[in-house]
Amino acid sequence: AQSVTQLGSHVSVSEGALVLLRCNYSSSVPPYLFWYVQYPNQGLQLLLKYTSAATLVKGINGFEAEFKKSETSFHLTKPSAHMSDAAEYFCAVSDENNRLAFGKGNQVVVIP
Amino acid sequence: NAGVTQTPKFRVLKTGQSMTLLCAQDMNHEYMYWYRQDPGMGLRLIHYSVGEGTTAKGEVPDGYNVSRLKKQNFLLGLESAAPSQTSVYFCASSPRGSSGANVLTFGAGSRLTVL
Repeated sequence: AQSVTQLGSHVSVSEGALVLLRCNYSSSVPPYLFWYVQYPNQGLQLLLKYTSAATLVKGINGFEAEFKKSETSFHLTKPSAHMSDAAEYFCAVSDENNRLAFGKGNQVVVIP
Repeated sequence: NAGVTQTPKFRVLKTGQSMTLLCAQDMNHEYMYWYRQDPGMGLRLIHYSVGEGTTAKGEVPDGYNVSRLKKQNFLLGLESAAPSQTSVYFCASSPRGSSGANVLTFGAGSRLTVL
C-alpha cells in the first residue's frame, strides 16, 4: 500500500526564514503526490501536486516541492515565511481511484 | 459556485444515538470520499464511492455506513455513536479517471462530539 511519512508534528519558523517540510513516500508504482494546506477551522486546500511532468513543482503562495525518486522524497519549501503561512500542512499520495493517503501533518508556527 | 457542502457543521451526540452527515457537490464529480481527522493522525479514509449507487470501504470503516443514491450526494451514517467517533469529518469529491492525478475538492468539515 502507498503511504507517506511526515516527521515532526510541530515546526516553528521565524518570519522571513526558510520553510522546509519533509515528506517521504512509499509506493510500488510511480506516485502522484500532493501537498495540502489547512488553515484554522477550514477544509483542505491544494498547494501543489506532482504528476511526473516535472520534478520541481511550483504551487500557490510561493511554495514549491521537488520530487526526488532516489530519495523517495517530496519536500515542501518556501524561501521566506510569512505570518499568513501559519497552518497545518499535509503530504499525500494518491492511488488509481484518487484515494489519498495522508501523512500525519505538520503544524507550522511562524514567529514574528 | 458552492463546491462541496457539508451539513451540519457541528453536532453533539450522546453515546448510542444515531445521525447522518450530508455531503453535496455541484461539480458533477463521479468520485466522493469521507475522511475523518484526528489530532496527530492526519486524515483517514472511512468510505468512498466511484459512482452513483456504489460504495466501498476505506481504511477505518467500522461503525459507519454510507449511501450514494444520487450522484451529487454522499451520506455518512453513524448508527450507534461512540466517544471514539468524536472527530472532524471531511467530505471530498473528484472527477473520474486520470489514474490518481485528479485533485480532490474538500468541504469545510463537520465537527462531531460524542459524549
